[in-house]
Amino acid sequence: QAQLVQSGVEVKKPGASVKVSCRASGYTFNSYGIIWVRQAPGHGLEWMGWSSAYNGDTNYAQMVQDRVTMTTDISTGTAYMELRSLRTDDTAVYFCARSVRKSAAGTIWGQGTLVTVSA
Amino acid sequence: QSVLTQPPSVSGAPGQRVTISCTGNRSNIGAGYDVHWYQHLPGTAPKLLIYGNTNRPSGVPDRFSGSKSGTSASLAITGLQAEDEADYYCQSYDNSLSGRGVFGGGTKLTVL
Repeated sequence: QAQLVQSGVEVKKPGASVKVSCRASGYTFNSYGIIWVRQAPGHGLEWMGWSSAYNGDTNYAQMVQDRVTMTTDISTGTAYMELRSLRTDDTAVYFCARSVRKSAAGTIWGQGTLVTVSA
Repeated sequence: QSVLTQPPSVSGAPGQRVTISCTGNRSNIGAGYDVHWYQHLPGTAPKLLIYGNTNRPSGVPDRFSGSKSGTSASLAITGLQAEDEADYYCQSYDNSLSGRGVFGGGTKLTVL
């Protein structure tokens, strides 16, 4: 069955970068895209962006667009989300989800990756 | 401040029907973008309940239904069960600010 498996817990200092991976299996990776969503403690879900595994197109939310890069590696069926210049308010659980286009629903979700940013 | 507005909380007794609203504007729901709904339990990944305004993925009970009209959408849950107690989020797309996905602020459903 289709599934997404994310990389493990990360602890970073302010100003550092983090790169979260999301490995797909059970479906044709390059027929879909991946959306990235985060949830900070005590807050709701926040849409961060979308990357196409088909042609590499991306669409980033304005609140992170200057600090984020989302990529896909068709050879390994893996999507990546790199967030730079981390701030303490970037502390959150980060989710990846399969999505056929940037406006579509996330149909298959990864288990989430906790990223903690602390001095 | 979320782009899509949901009530912070709703509640109902077992067996009852509840609805959760999701209000947007002319740059998102009113522009024709689809609305999707998720159920989210703490510490787990969100679960897709409704996609494309009204469609249920396989495995989602028909107690869950979605609708959309104008700049708003709604999720209805009938025959409430204790296991339905969770947070619910709507999602759509917004064509302002170079375009981005948007979520509602979330609604906590309490089964009394």
